[in-house]
Amino acid sequence: DTAVSQTPKYLVTQMGNDKSIKCEQNLGHDTMYWYKQDSKKFLKIMFSYNNKELIINETVPNRFSPKSPDKAHLNLHINSLELGDSAVYFCASSNYREGGDEKLFFGSGTQLSVL
Amino acid sequence: SQQGEEDPQALSIQEGENATMNCSYKTSINNLQWYRQNSGRGLVHLILIRSNEREKHSGRLRVTLDTSKKSSSLLITASRAADTASYFCATDLIQGAQKLVFGQGTRLTINP
Repeated sequence: DTAVSQTPKYLVTQMGNDKSIKCEQNLGHDTMYWYKQDSKKFLKIMFSYNNKELIINETVPNRFSPKSPDKAHLNLHINSLELGDSAVYFCASSNYREGGDEKLFFGSGTQLSVL
Repeated sequence: SQQGEEDPQALSIQEGENATMNCSYKTSINNLQWYRQNSGRGLVHLILIRSNEREKHSGRLRVTLDTSKKSSSLLITASRAADTASYFCATDLIQGAQKLVFGQGTRLTINP
């Protein structure tokens, strides 16, 4: 039933480790996103894929690498984790429309804690 | 500073009262959207208002948009305890690749 699902919900790891977060949507949307929400609740876009093609790549360290095997999946791999990577990561999806008016559907988030 | 900024950052009212939250932005937009986030959950879309619209209603929600002042407000009437959440505005920018830029949110607490 879940429209946008991401796993794991919680991720606790040591500095320097490599970890992945997975996201899947069953809404038939063609665009998927990764957002990062910091401790002050500020939500910032990281990446966006449209039909498996990267269309938005904000100023994000290249330790972060998104991968979209198909348009229903967008995974996020993070290398050499740092303390500052601790945040909640949200996956979202939408259907691209010329001229806008897209609304986003969000997953429930992955709380990443780097120790 | 950010594209979208909500005001106030936190709001606490009694159940039954109306809650008003404001959002200001800096650059031209296609539309402005409001989202709600319950604690520990993802954001849920509430309402979208296009740049050529001035007011929109959905149930107990009323959104206004003033493009000359680059501001929007979200009014929740007859608040309920279940409305307790954080509310975010998001602007869909005209220039560049299509993406929503979120503010920092208003934390709304409804006291029973």
